[in-house]
Amino acid sequence: AQTVTQSQPEMSVQEAETVTLSCTYDTSESDYYLFWYKQPPSRQMILVIRQEAYKQQNATENRFSVNFQKAAKSFSLKISDSQLGDAAMYFCAYATQGGSEKLVFGKGMKLTVNP
Amino acid sequence: GAVVSQHPSWVICKSGTSVKIECRSLDFQATTMFWYRQFPKQSLMLMATSNEGSKATYEQGVEKDKFLINHASLTLSTLTVTSAHPEDSSFYICSASDNYEQFFGPGTRLTVL
Repeated sequence: AQTVTQSQPEMSVQEAETVTLSCTYDTSESDYYLFWYKQPPSRQMILVIRQEAYKQQNATENRFSVNFQKAAKSFSLKISDSQLGDAAMYFCAYATQGGSEKLVFGKGMKLTVNP
Repeated sequence: GAVVSQHPSWVICKSGTSVKIECRSLDFQATTMFWYRQFPKQSLMLMATSNEGSKATYEQGVEKDKFLINHASLTLSTLTVTSAHPEDSSFYICSASDNYEQFFGPGTRLTVL
């Protein structure tokens, strides 16, 4: 079975600084999808970024970028120029397909942004 | 992005009663919907996968007779918690898939007294 591990339960960052959230996963599949979701205090799950395993290029969405290391089964999220609104729970997730298959979530990590 | 609604957003019920939660995709048709449960300070755990017009697929350990799921149309799935008990108190989240991405509802907080 696929598993997703987020080993850091909490992190903090100063506003405008850069922070990296780590995630590792385990799978025997060669093709799959990885995601980072944000859950603010409202508890609405928001997709931050997605990465297709067959793509070698790391995904980027504005201030958010990933470092996808397929051989190491590592998928870290870098947040640049951190903003107060970035404070939330962040969940790393895995799926065998892009949207039609179930997501397997990591335990999550609470990010605090200090002004 | 696509919008998924859930109703109610919170509900309090007495032990032994049943509660129905609705999940609707408002601006797209969702062949597949998912139901997750999230306990305080924990991650989302998938309960079941729901496909329109067919029986839901439940994850191991989830009682299908207790958590009834109906996906009657491409825009509506319902989760009914039957004979609810205090241990069923949790945050229930649905998501709807357009086959490319899952869009999450805002969640329903269930408290069973």
